[in-house]
Amino acid sequence: QVQLQESGPGLVKPSETLSLTCAVSGYSISSGYYWGWIRQPPGKGLEWIGSIYHSGSTYYNPSLKSRVTISVDTSKNQFSLKLSSVTAADTAVYYCARTTEQHPTIDYWGQGTLVTVSS
Amino acid sequence: DIQMTQSPSSLSASVGDRVTITCQASQDISNYLNWYQQKPGKAPKLLIYDASNLETGVPSRFSGSGSGTDFTFTISSLQPEDIATYYCQQYDNLQGLTFGGGTKVEIK
Repeated sequence: QVQLQESGPGLVKPSETLSLTCAVSGYSISSGYYWGWIRQPPGKGLEWIGSIYHSGSTYYNPSLKSRVTISVDTSKNQFSLKLSSVTAADTAVYYCARTTEQHPTIDYWGQGTLVTVSS
Repeated sequence: DIQMTQSPSSLSASVGDRVTITCQASQDISNYLNWYQQKPGKAPKLLIYDASNLETGVPSRFSGSGSGTDFTFTISSLQPEDIATYYCQQYDNLQGLTFGGGTKVEIK
């Protein structure tokens, strides 16, 4: 069974860089699918941040593209998110997820991790 | 940009009622429309993919229909465990994945 688990600091200071990692078990990232990040501010809806293919090709939300970097480490079977110059508006639950290659559909999600931006 | 308009934003219904949620795209997205259920404090869960296909293990009281710009998600007989927020989601090459605003379903 595919499982995803987010890890990283729960508190980040304004203007700094948010860094999260998603460890994948039960499936090899190298075998396919897109691997990505979605966030949800408290009490609000879902926002796709971006995705990466095992080859390293990346796809980002145009509204976040200038601040986002997603990378993959196939040797550790994990992928990571970096979001720079954070503000309070970036406070959210961050989910990592697996997305199908055709007609992109998110079929597996991590449990989510709350990241708060505050000094 | 393709805009997704999901309605209603919330609804209250009785156990056993038929519940319908709609999602309208600002332009034709064929059948590239998925539906997710999110219970409080939990990650979303895929229920319907490609507008009308039931994900494995999802109860048959959930269904989806539509193509082009207009889509419908239906719970044929609302159960207490269906209390959740439901989201539609589409994909396009320019914006990537986008979600509707969500519909919070409550028991009357």
